[in-house]
Amino acid sequence: DAGVTQSPTHLIKTRGQQVTLRCSPISGHKSVSWYQQVLGQGPQFIFQYYEKEERGRGNFPDRFSARQFPNYSSELNVNALLLGDSALYLCASSGRLAKNIQYFGAGTRLSVL
Amino acid sequence: AQTVTQSQPEMSVQEAETVTLSCTYDTSENNYYLFWYKQPPSRQMILVIRQEAYKQQNATENRFSVNFQKAAKSFSLKISDSQLGDTAMYFCAFTPPINFGNEKLTFGTGTRLTIIP
Repeated sequence: DAGVTQSPTHLIKTRGQQVTLRCSPISGHKSVSWYQQVLGQGPQFIFQYYEKEERGRGNFPDRFSARQFPNYSSELNVNALLLGDSALYLCASSGRLAKNIQYFGAGTRLSVL
Repeated sequence: AQTVTQSQPEMSVQEAETVTLSCTYDTSENNYYLFWYKQPPSRQMILVIRQEAYKQQNATENRFSVNFQKAAKSFSLKISDSQLGDTAMYFCAFTPPINFGNEKLTFGTGTRLTIIP
């Protein structure tokens, strides 16, 4: 079975641009979470979606937005990119059979120049 | 707000030896879950072990075990018979079981573990 898949693997953008990151959860998982991991730090929670509804939001500016589709895949959008947005963006999914366990994808490395 | 602290930025140990990684946390919740995740250079965060706070018995998974001290809010990871493949960043994480679909993980800053051949 496929795990959590994220695309693209790497992305280079310039300041002020907009970016969309994509995530497909493990089959059967209806919850998707997004985390930002700056180099040398632990991941920071950005959003969680369950059944297409936002269930949690971390301390990130409104430039960050997300949505979940009927097939439970998800997109993370970041507008007006800043140099400080350079990070590894991780997506995680969870399902009812493994409650409270989140399974992570390999992440998207975003570099803002 | 919950916080997770890992006070050992880096550790190294000889192959086949035992190593213990430390983690402390702060919460006002009585029931919650604690995790250790491993992040190798491939970047993918891999679950190592999970502990439910209402269970007094320490969790074990093969060579990995935890020492969970609820009163002290301490959650250390012991790796026995360490292997080269254990080389990675290790993150301690916390989540309160509020409702399914609301499971924000709070991570520590990580411990970089190197297994020396």
